[in-house]
Amino acid sequence: NAGVTQTPKFQVLKTGQSMTLQCAQDMNHNSMYWYRQDPGMGLRLIYYSASEGTTDKGEVPNGYNVSRLNKREFSLRLESAAPSQTSVYFCASRRTGGSYTFGSGTRLTVV
Amino acid sequence: QKEVEQDPGPLSVPEGAIVSLNCTYSNSAFQYFMWYRQYSRKGPELLMYTYSSGNKEDGRFTAQVDKSSKYISLFIRDSQPSDSATYLCAMSDIKQGGSEKLVFGKGTKLTVNP
Repeated sequence: NAGVTQTPKFQVLKTGQSMTLQCAQDMNHNSMYWYRQDPGMGLRLIYYSASEGTTDKGEVPNGYNVSRLNKREFSLRLESAAPSQTSVYFCASRRTGGSYTFGSGTRLTVV
Repeated sequence: QKEVEQDPGPLSVPEGAIVSLNCTYSNSAFQYFMWYRQYSRKGPELLMYTYSSGNKEDGRFTAQVDKSSKYISLFIRDSQPSDSATYLCAMSDIKQGGSEKLVFGKGTKLTVNP
């Protein structure tokens, strides 16, 4: 019953460094999503993948890239981290017509 | 006007109180309505999921949807300290190919005091 697994749980980056946030789900869901959550801003969609092989921009895609490696895995990459990307990042998956299942989050600090 | 509006609170109530949490929305195409609960430093977890107008009850929780008013509510009866969390409303429309996306309210932080 792993659900959605995110790694790492915590990360500190220096401005300009790159990193990839990993997400995997074991529920055979078609759709996967990356959100960021900031105080007072709620959950904002960065990118999503409606099915294996497709990705689309969400509300706040600038500074990020994604890869839907296979049906299980959806990664989020920061090519050149900026302090404005300090946030909590959540991955989620969803079966068609169903609700979202979220991972436990990655707390990222960019200094 | 934002698609989904939710009073951020914070809301503080005594144990045993009835809690009412609300969201309004502007997109009449929304068909799925959800409430998520998020404990501090955790991911959101699904609490209630409804597809149509009316009420849905699950234990101490009741979700209410009024599509004509574009208004949804979550009621918590006999609130407990363990209900202390942030509650997020979420909704989506129906699209082909799984491309529908949830739109979230900003969340209401609830504290239930013993």
